[in-house]
Amino acid sequence: DAGVTQSPTHLIKTRGQHVTLRCSPISGHKSVSWYQQVLGQGPQFIFQYYEKEERGRGNFPDRFSARQFPNYSSELNVNALLLGDSALYLCASSLWSQRHNSPLHFGNGTRLTVT
Amino acid sequence: KNEVEQSPQNLTAQEGEFITINCSYSVGISALHWLQQHPGGGIVSLFMLSSGKKKHGRLIATINIQEKHSSLHITASHPRDSAVYICAVGGSQGNLIFGKGTKLSVKP
Repeated sequence: DAGVTQSPTHLIKTRGQHVTLRCSPISGHKSVSWYQQVLGQGPQFIFQYYEKEERGRGNFPDRFSARQFPNYSSELNVNALLLGDSALYLCASSLWSQRHNSPLHFGNGTRLTVT
Repeated sequence: KNEVEQSPQNLTAQEGEFITINCSYSVGISALHWLQQHPGGGIVSLFMLSSGKKKHGRLIATINIQEKHSSLHITASHPRDSAVYICAVGGSQGNLIFGKGTKLSVKP
């Protein structure tokens, strides 16, 4: 079975542009979470989606948005990119919402560089 | 003070040594996760626990809910264990709160 897949693997954007990152969960998993990891730091929670509804949001500005599709795949959108948005963006899927302590499976991430 | 603190930040060991990485947290949690991250970024979930102790091969994870403390032990360490080990706790809102990670380097 395929694991969590993220695309693209690497991306270079210019300040002010917008970006869309994609995540396909493990088959059968209904929850997708997004995390931002700046170099040298632990990941920071951005969003959690379960059954196509937002179930949690971290402390990120409104430039960050996400959605989950009927097939449970997900997109993370970031508008008006800033240099500080340069990071590894990780997606994780789980069978159930994290409120139910479901084991997490991570993708390999998308490395975004903003110049 | 961070909600999840790990120690040490960096750890160098000789092959075969017993390794302990510690995690303390200050928030109420539903579960605690130990994760392994290799260069390049991919993260693998090692353990999820809410009480007691779990063992998988050479890895052992323990948690003390009363003391809000967890440890990850690696027995008979090997150079392939070199990675960043991250502790994360499940918050009440379904999010995860991560520590900054412990960078482990095991020398042959």
